[in-house]
Amino acid sequence: AQTVTQSQPEMSVQEAETVTLSCTYDTSESDYYLFWYKQPPSRQMILVIRQEAYKQQNATENRFSVNFQKAAKSFSLKISDSQLGDAAMYFCAHHSGGGADGLTFGKGTHLIIQP
Amino acid sequence: DTEVTQTPKHLVMGMTNKKSLKCEQHMGHRAMYWYKQKAKKPPELMFVYSYEKLSINESVPSRFSPECPNSSLLNLHLHALQPEDSALYLCASSQTAGGLVDTGELFFGEGSRLTVL
Repeated sequence: AQTVTQSQPEMSVQEAETVTLSCTYDTSESDYYLFWYKQPPSRQMILVIRQEAYKQQNATENRFSVNFQKAAKSFSLKISDSQLGDAAMYFCAHHSGGGADGLTFGKGTHLIIQP
Repeated sequence: DTEVTQTPKHLVMGMTNKKSLKCEQHMGHRAMYWYKQKAKKPPELMFVYSYEKLSINESVPSRFSPECPNSSLLNLHLHALQPEDSALYLCASSQTAGGLVDTGELFFGEGSRLTVL
């Protein structure tokens, strides 16, 4: 079974600064996908970034980038130039591929942006 | 259209009531999901429908009854709920058809906030 671990229940960062959220996972699969989802107080889960395990290049979406270390089973999210709108719960998630069986989520990190 | 639409947004019901949550997507996705989420916790998978057939039931109590009338619609029928069932219920869909790569990416609705009195 897959597991996803987010060891930081809460993080705080000053506006315009950079913050890194950590995530580790455990899987026996060689082909899988990793995600970071954001859930603001408005409650809709929004995809932030996706990484395919077979790609060595780290995914990037504007101010959001990941550091994907496959051997270490680590998948951290870096948010640059933090903005007030980045305040949310962030969930790391894993999908083994090949079927509709949902995602395995970590427990989440509550990100606070200090103005 | 990249939306998953859920109704109602808020629902308050007594323990003897019968109500339904509805979910709709028009992205051509063939897998649809119900998740339950408590505050500051990750979503917990309840049910998965794949090609309109129930493929996963995560040992959910029978007071929750899912239904998938067609590939675009998903319902969750609620009956004789308990106060501990109060939560945010999220619907999601994913693409899993036609030889396309199934990345597992879920598209979520805004959720239905359920309060059981």
